[in-house]
Amino acid sequence: DTAVSQTPKYLVTQMGNDKSIKCEQNLGHDTMYWYKQDSKKFLKIMFSYNNKELIINETVPNRFSPKSPDKAHLNLHINSLELGDSAVYFCASSPRAGDTGELFFGEGSRLTVL
Amino acid sequence: GQNIDQPTEMTATEGAIVQINCTYQTSGFNGLFWYQQHAGEAPTFLSYNVLDGLEEKGRFSSFLSRSKGYSYLLLKELQMKDSASYLCAVMDSNYQLIWGAGTKLIIKP
Repeated sequence: DTAVSQTPKYLVTQMGNDKSIKCEQNLGHDTMYWYKQDSKKFLKIMFSYNNKELIINETVPNRFSPKSPDKAHLNLHINSLELGDSAVYFCASSPRAGDTGELFFGEGSRLTVL
Repeated sequence: GQNIDQPTEMTATEGAIVQINCTYQTSGFNGLFWYQQHAGEAPTFLSYNVLDGLEEKGRFSSFLSRSKGYSYLLLKELQMKDSASYLCAVMDSNYQLIWGAGTKLIIKP
C-alpha cells in the first residue's frame, strides 16, 4: 500500500477552470502538507495541517483552499486556474507538527494550465 | 531573509566520489535534511543532521558544521541510478522546512 497517495497524477485544464487534488496518508501521521514545485525545482510550502487544523498558511492566493476532513486526508481545491499555477503539487506527511523527523511525500500531481 | 545555497548541477563518473555542498542562513536551526529526487518522482529522505559531524549511511554520508552554516552530502562508489537531484533543507526555529533549489547530479559511465 502506498503510504502517501495523491490523485490525479496528471491534470491538464483550461485557464479559469476549478480543479481539486486529493491526498491520503495511511501512516497514522498527525501532520500533512501541500508543497508546490515549479519549473525551477524549488519546493515551496503552501499549507500545513495538524490534526485537521491549519497551522501554516504561506502567502498563496486565496484561490487555493485546502480542506482536511480528517487527519488522514488533505485536499487542495484551486479556483479560477491561471497559467502560473502550472507546477507539480506534492502532498506530504510527518508524524507531528514540530517533529524533526522526515517528510513522506506523495508521488506528485502535475498540473498544466493551458 | 532565509537562504539555502547549493550548486545547480554537478557531473561525476560512475564509481567515483562526489561531494555536494549546501550553505544556509536561517532563523534558528532544528536540523538539516538531504533528500533525493529522481526526475518526475517525489523526494525521498536520505539523511538528517542536527549535531556537528559526519553521519554515515552506506554509500552516502552527510556532514554538518553549525558554526559555519554548512553541510555536504558525500556519495561514494557512484552508480548510474544515483543520477538525480539532491535537495538540502533546513528546519528553522518555527519547525518549518526551508528548501534549497536542489543540485542535479549527472553520472557518466
